[in-house]
Amino acid sequence: GAVVSQHPSRVICKSGTSVKIECRSLDFQATTMFWYRQFPKKSLMLMATSNEGSKATYEQGVEKDKFLINHASLTLSTLTVTSAHPEDSSFYICSAHQTGHSNQPQHFGDGTRLSIL
Amino acid sequence: EDQVTQSPEALRLQEGESSSLNCSYTVSGLRGLFWYRQDPGKGPEFLFTLYSAGEEKEKERLKATLTKKESFLHITAPKPEDSATYLCAGAPMATNKLIFGTGTLLAVQP
Repeated sequence: GAVVSQHPSRVICKSGTSVKIECRSLDFQATTMFWYRQFPKKSLMLMATSNEGSKATYEQGVEKDKFLINHASLTLSTLTVTSAHPEDSSFYICSAHQTGHSNQPQHFGDGTRLSIL
Repeated sequence: EDQVTQSPEALRLQEGESSSLNCSYTVSGLRGLFWYRQDPGKGPEFLFTLYSAGEEKEKERLKATLTKKESFLHITAPKPEDSATYLCAGAPMATNKLIFGTGTLLAVQP
């Protein structure tokens, strides 16, 4: 149980392209999902908290117009990296909390490796 | 400021050589301390949650313990398949965020 699917697993695209990453909770409902960024040999840095039916909450220093988050249903959140540039290249990971179980662990997707040429 | 620090950064063990990984935390009103395992190119996989000092949890060769300032992940007689990065994360009170440490990269050699 508690499976989170992230798609695509890898994206390579040209500078200036916008890229959408999907995060789905497959067997549970998730009112809250989280988006992280991970640099090589570094830990996970929380970018934003995605809330179903309302605006995402962004961490300090994360550009909300650059990283658009939509959480339109209880099982799907999307992260769109707009007008991506090489410095946006990174490993992006989502996680989800089962609704009503905030003390339970976050369950993670397998990440998306984004490479901007 | 909430902070989680892990040591060592990297650890190399021989198969069967037991050891411990450390996670020190300063997290306001800690409501839970989480351990995850991360394989290369994958997302973190949940291992344990500890909620109060003195609590211990075990799973196969792994045992996690918690004090008021730190947590340990003990690995008994590790095998090569235990090689991974082990992450700990603290959850502050009144938020559902996780504060991650930088991880310990464990390599177990046969």
